Amino acid sequence: DGGITQSPKYLFRKEGQNVTLSCEQNLNHDAMYWYRQDPGQGLRLIYYSQIVNDFQKGDIAEGYSVSREKKESFPLTVTSAQKNPTAFYLCATTTSAISEQYFGPGTRLTVT
Amino acid sequence: EDQVTQSPEALRLQEGESSSLNCSYTVSGLRGLFWYRQDPGKGPEFLFTLYSAGEEKEKERLKATLTKKESFLHITAPKPEDSATYLCAVQAYSGTYKYIFGTGTRLKVLA
Repeated sequence: DGGITQSPKYLFRKEGQNVTLSCEQNLNHDAMYWYRQDPGQGLRLIYYSQIVNDFQKGDIAEGYSVSREKKESFPLTVTSAQKNPTAFYLCATTTSAISEQYFGPGTRLTVT
Repeated sequence: EDQVTQSPEALRLQEGESSSLNCSYTVSGLRGLFWYRQDPGKGPEFLFTLYSAGEEKEKERLKATLTKKESFLHITAPKPEDSATYLCAVQAYSGTYKYIFGTGTRLKVLA
């Protein structure tokens, strides 16, 4: 059963703590993306990776970090440097450079 | 500046009342336009890809069309289960490929 999984679905953290969001895919897609979604705003790109061991900053990378050690996995760490981390985080993949994106179910992070 | 604007922000329809959602864009080097459906608390679900002006795609009660400046998502005889947020995105190229998303149209279909 191919797809994209994100875990956990809900995540609660205290301010000042780092937290890592998981994104796994078994679609054999090369490119993976992390987006942040806030009410009333379009999806904003945090980081993306076209191939293993390579990733690029998106529009709002400050306070976030990623790794791409395996093709199937693209974890996102939200660090204490992120000023407003509470949001809905979405992971996506694409089959090729010019292609629609496929999204995971999302992780809702709440930081208090 | 590359931009995608969706209208209206919200739309309420009676079951069976057809309507259209608009996605206007200003981008350089358009490579594709995508429509997604997003249910509350879930990830967007891919619906259509359009690549060139004049292109149309259909799926059940939905039909997407594309011109050089905008795309429409036509909903024919909607049902309550069509209630969702519909997102439009474009893929542009300016040295690197990037996706630009609109803020979506929240559709509510009343029985």
